[in-house]
Amino acid sequence: QQQVKQSPQSLIVQKGGIPIINCAYENTAFDYFPWYQQFPGKGPALLIAIRPDVSEKKEGRFTISFNKSAKQFSLHIMDSQPGDSATYFCAAWFPGTYKYIFGTGTRLKVLA
Amino acid sequence: GAGVSQTPSNKVTEKGKYVELRCDPISGHTALYWYRQSLGQGPEFLIYFQGTGAADDSGLPNDRFFAVRPEGSVSTLKIQRTERGDSAVYLCASSLVAGGPGNEQFFGPGTRLTVL
Repeated sequence: QQQVKQSPQSLIVQKGGIPIINCAYENTAFDYFPWYQQFPGKGPALLIAIRPDVSEKKEGRFTISFNKSAKQFSLHIMDSQPGDSATYFCAAWFPGTYKYIFGTGTRLKVLA
Repeated sequence: GAGVSQTPSNKVTEKGKYVELRCDPISGHTALYWYRQSLGQGPEFLIYFQGTGAADDSGLPNDRFFAVRPEGSVSTLKIQRTERGDSAVYLCASSLVAGGPGNEQFFGPGTRLTVL
């Protein structure tokens, strides 16, 4: 299975809240898991990424938690701001290919 | 330098017509990718170029879709006999070299194709 399942489809939080977006995969051959942020009218931009041999990675206010045994990973946004309002996509990379498999996206709205 | 650019930003056409979508990658990037993003979905891989050659076209949905990159820089995605189901945002991305980790793909803003 080369799918990545993402939830929730949409999310609304207050400023300062910690939205959490979850992804799950089936194929244990996936070897790299990036998160992309997409603003309306723009292409996706790489936000943060993790390899499966690491359980957590932090970059600024963004944290990925990775659970290899459960084949799940999640994005946490600390102290969320209205400027974080965007669509977030998880993705997975399959070794030996040059393409990413994307989740269906989560539309995040952070209220001021 | 400039990022990945795509033209046109919007294209409206009628069912059965032929369209061309253009991508200008970041200068010096050898790898170029096309993705299709349908409404409410994530990008879906179409084709990947390494230099001038299509190294992986496994994502092209059918033979109405074709892409070229004749000089290893600009790429054109061509769609013949367009159908309403082809309506989507077509994204182009480029990377310095091909591959996954450490070879970030930089995306353009996309071309929104609407087939009436």
